Amino acid sequence: DAGVIQSPRHEVTEMGQEVTLRCKPISGHDYLFWYRQTMMRGLELLIYFNNNVPIDDSGMPEDRFSAKMPNASFSTLKIQPSEPRDSAVYFCASSLSGAKYGYTFGSGTRLTVV
Amino acid sequence: QQQVKQSPQSLIVQKGGISIINCAYENTAFDYFPWYQQFPGKGPALLIAIRPDVSEKKEGRFTISFNKSAKQFSLHIMDSQPGDSATYFCAASGGSYIPTFGRGTSLIVHP
Repeated sequence: DAGVIQSPRHEVTEMGQEVTLRCKPISGHDYLFWYRQTMMRGLELLIYFNNNVPIDDSGMPEDRFSAKMPNASFSTLKIQPSEPRDSAVYFCASSLSGAKYGYTFGSGTRLTVV
Repeated sequence: QQQVKQSPQSLIVQKGGISIINCAYENTAFDYFPWYQQFPGKGPALLIAIRPDVSEKKEGRFTISFNKSAKQFSLHIMDSQPGDSATYFCAASGGSYIPTFGRGTSLIVHP
């Protein structure tokens, strides 16, 4: 099993640019989560999907953030326009039947907005 | 509102010592308490978890102690090794099982 695959691993972009983060969940998992990790705020849940449908996006910080899951094997998190305060590590995680038996996290995308 | 409070923020232990990380929660509806371990450059990984119907769970050198009345739980790492150096997150969840994470503890085990 390849696990949860995220790309890119690192992204450096200029303020105002559009950034797209990608995630491939584990095959068969029906939940997908996007988290943001910073020193100041720890792990923050941004949004999660069940069977490709967004269930809770209350953690999405602003309208500049959007997430999609067009099919069971792919999700994107988009920031447009990006700002320096968006700099963080963004994690995607997937699970089976909620998070009862824990998540499997990807290795994350380290985003730097300059 | 921080629903899961974790301490200490950082911890330094000598090899062979005991590492202890504490968490406290507020929501009495929480009924599942996992711990995650995160190495640099990696995502958190589920380490061990406990339900409130037991007071202790042990897996190898890792033990969770749970005090339901005090709404506290802790992770004990016995015979700590340099390879245990990582960030540890406690979490708590209810019926939806979507966890609320603590802020994390950076553990360094010196050889």
